[in-house]
Amino acid sequence: AQTVTQSQPEMSVQEAETVTLSCTYDTSESNYYLFWYKQPPSRQMILVIRQEAYKQQNATENRFSVNFQKAAKSFSLKISDSQLGDTAMYFCAFMFYGGATNKLIFGTGTLLAVQP
Amino acid sequence: NAGVTQTPKFQVLKTGQSMTLQCAQDMNHEYMSWYRQDPGMGLRLIHYSVGAGITDQGEVPNGYNVSRSTTEDFPLRLLSAAPSQTSVYFCASSYSWGAAETQYFGPGTRLLVL
Repeated sequence: AQTVTQSQPEMSVQEAETVTLSCTYDTSESNYYLFWYKQPPSRQMILVIRQEAYKQQNATENRFSVNFQKAAKSFSLKISDSQLGDTAMYFCAFMFYGGATNKLIFGTGTLLAVQP
Repeated sequence: NAGVTQTPKFQVLKTGQSMTLQCAQDMNHEYMSWYRQDPGMGLRLIHYSVGAGITDQGEVPNGYNVSRSTTEDFPLRLLSAAPSQTSVYFCASSYSWGAAETQYFGPGTRLLVL
């Protein structure tokens, strides 16, 4: 069974600085996708970034980028130039590609606080 | 587009009561699903549907029932509410299934069972 582990329950960063959130996963599948979702205090789940496992190039979306290490089964999220609006719970998620469901397997989340 | 909508936003139930959590999407998405979010556990899949008339169980289906009579709606029914079902419930949808389609989440329904 696939599992996703986020070992940092809480993190704090100063505004304008860079922070990295960690995520590791365990799977025997070779075709899968990885995601980072953001959940602000409004509770809305917002997709931040996604990575296809077959791509070696790390995904980037503006100030958000990932460090995808397939052999190590690691998928960290780097937030550059942190902003107050980045304060949220961040979830790492895994999805097996090609199955009969789009089931997302989530980690337990990292609560990020951006300090002014 | 309203996206994915959920009603109610918050509900209090007594043990044994039944209720239906509503979910609707206006994006013509084939795939819809329900998750529950509990403290310290992330989100877990309850039920999902790959199209009208087709549903299947997820990771934690016990105590919940679903049906999908239209593409737009995917209600979640609690048959006899228990305190263990106190949680935040999210509905999600995507254009199709079997591929990494972006899943869009609703705003959530917070349920308290006394």
